[in-house]
Amino acid sequence: EVQLVESGGGLVKPGESLRLSCAVSGFTFSTYSMNWVRQAPGKGLEWVSSISTIGSNVYYADSVKGRFTISRDNAKNLLFLQMDSLRAEDTAMYYCARSVVTAWLLDSWGQGTLVTVSS
Amino acid sequence: VMMTQSPATLSVSPGERATLSCRPSQSISINLAWYQQKPGQAPRLLIYGASTRATGIPARFSGSGSGTEFTLTISSLQSEDFAIYYCQQYNYWPLTFGGGTKVEIK
Repeated sequence: EVQLVESGGGLVKPGESLRLSCAVSGFTFSTYSMNWVRQAPGKGLEWVSSISTIGSNVYYADSVKGRFTISRDNAKNLLFLQMDSLRAEDTAMYYCARSVVTAWLLDSWGQGTLVTVSS
Repeated sequence: VMMTQSPATLSVSPGERATLSCRPSQSISINLAWYQQKPGQAPRLLIYGASTRATGIPARFSGSGSGTEFTLTISSLQSEDFAIYYCQQYNYWPLTFGGGTKVEIK
């Protein structure tokens, strides 16, 4: 069974940092591209960042470029999102999601981890 | 690519047909996916490649379209289908989602 489990969310102050993790199981992690998608409370879905199978290609939304860093550890089946200089508008549920190599559709999702940025 | 979904809310009786629209601001070929999200849950992939059902998705869900006009049809709404539906294009970076259509019980 494919499983994606996010962790690392919490309450932080503006300007602080947080590192999210996504532990995966049930599939060969190194053969899938991965993504982070967020959803502010009561709002729609917003793509945040994507990473290719070996991490050679990374992509970011303009809203997080320069502040967030996506990475992965294929040996440990882990996906990460380092979030620096957090802002109130980064408050959201953060989901990790899997993509097939040939297309950036999101075929499996985790249950999310909540990030709240507030003073 | 901006993704425009309509209507924002669709009120449908159980057993009726629901038709949801998604229009990208430029042509995306058939690189479009549909997702279903229920309250408190993560989104679930329904359709990809504009018309291919994902694994385990019932046949009452169908997708059509290409270029700049796409449709998700639910042929006979079941109680478990009342949810929010999002489209997403994966033809260009950045990946973009529509604002969603909420399908509610009439």
